[in-house]
Amino acid sequence: EAGVTQSPTHLIKTRGQQATLRCSPISGHTSVYWYQQALGLGLQFLLWYDEGEERNRGNFPPRFSGRQFPNYSSELNVNALELEDSALYLCASSPRAREAFFGQGTRLTVV
Amino acid sequence: AQSVTQLGSHVSVSEGALVLLRCNYSSSVPPYLFWYVQYPNQGLQLLLKYTTGATLVKGINGFEAEFKKSETSFHLTKPSAHMSDAAEYFCAVSAPQGGSEKLVFGKGTKLTVNP
Repeated sequence: EAGVTQSPTHLIKTRGQQATLRCSPISGHTSVYWYQQALGLGLQFLLWYDEGEERNRGNFPPRFSGRQFPNYSSELNVNALELEDSALYLCASSPRAREAFFGQGTRLTVV
Repeated sequence: AQSVTQLGSHVSVSEGALVLLRCNYSSSVPPYLFWYVQYPNQGLQLLLKYTTGATLVKGINGFEAEFKKSETSFHLTKPSAHMSDAAEYFCAVSAPQGGSEKLVFGKGTKLTVNP
């Protein structure tokens, strides 16, 4: 069974641009979580989607947004990129059993 | 709301020594508790979880953790460290009965294993 897949694995953008990160959950999982892992800051919760709806949001500005599609895949968009947005972005999916399975992450570098 | 505190951002042990990584949580309702491991440049992998039932939980790679409600702790242990255990470890809590399935993570503990 395929795990959580994220694309791209690496992304380099310039300040002010937009970034789009994608996540495909494990088949049958309806929940998708997004986390940011910046150097020295640990795992910061970004967004939680379940059944196509945004269920919860972390303490991030509105330029961080996303959506979940009918097939439960998800997209994270970051607008007006800033240097401090450089981080590993991790997606996780859950079958509503509260246990999250993580993808390998997308490394976003803003220059 | 739930929260997690991991004591010690860095822990160093010798190969063969006991590994003890500390995690304390805060939750107003019975929690679900998790330990994840992250190897360099990889995602997080579930080591073990506590939901209900037996308070001593065994996980992969010889790790185990004990849920102690009175101490609000869920410390991770392994009797004998191996070089391959060097990684970053994250404790997490969720509170499904409180209506929130959001996983809240601690800041992580980086484990170094010395030969």
